[in-house]
Amino acid sequence: SAVISQKPSRDICQRGTSLTIQCQVDSQVTMMFWYRQQPGQSLTLIATANQGSEATYESGFVIDKFPISRPNLTFSTLTVSNMSPEDSSIYLCSVVGVGGLDEQYFGPGTRLTVT
Amino acid sequence: SQQGEEDPQALSIQEGENATMNCSYKTSINNLQWYRQNSGRGLVHLILIRSNEREKHSGRLRVTLDTSKKSSSLLITASRAADTASYFCGFPDQAGTALIFGKGTTLSVSS
Repeated sequence: SAVISQKPSRDICQRGTSLTIQCQVDSQVTMMFWYRQQPGQSLTLIATANQGSEATYESGFVIDKFPISRPNLTFSTLTVSNMSPEDSSIYLCSVVGVGGLDEQYFGPGTRLTVT
Repeated sequence: SQQGEEDPQALSIQEGENATMNCSYKTSINNLQWYRQNSGRGLVHLILIRSNEREKHSGRLRVTLDTSKKSSSLLITASRAADTASYFCGFPDQAGTALIFGKGTTLSVSS
């Protein structure tokens, strides 16, 4: 499996501000994804982070609100912009392709509270 | 919607009992993965089962897959209090890359 770290692990932010979440993997991976888990809910895919090109967003998510970078095969960032209380969620990065395998592994998550 | 369904939504059992949770999906898939999540933390990968496999074991976990019924089950035998968590099944989206998740089953094991 892969060791995936996320920073910060949690944060409390004021509405209208932005937060950038970092995801670091200890080995090169094929694909990286960002998910959101709202309180008491399941996981929803935000976007696929593409190396060297714009992320691919799912319906309901836009680049202006959730800009994503992936400069190399082991690192990605997700920014939650102009936050509102509805953005309070756990944000998780995940990866596929560790050792060429199909398993998808998740980071520990970033718990975001917007006041 | 591609979202899967899991049942039951909640399950409470005593230590030592077995716990079974089910997952259904709507499209053809090439694999299905089960995860555990403790108290809103990250997801821990449990098992991946491929479409050409009917059953897979890992320790006290047994996963089955019935592609004709588009369903999978996760059995935890001899449950322990430490098994208390939410369990999710995930299956590939239409692009075959990212996973789509069911709503999960919340398991509570009391000692």
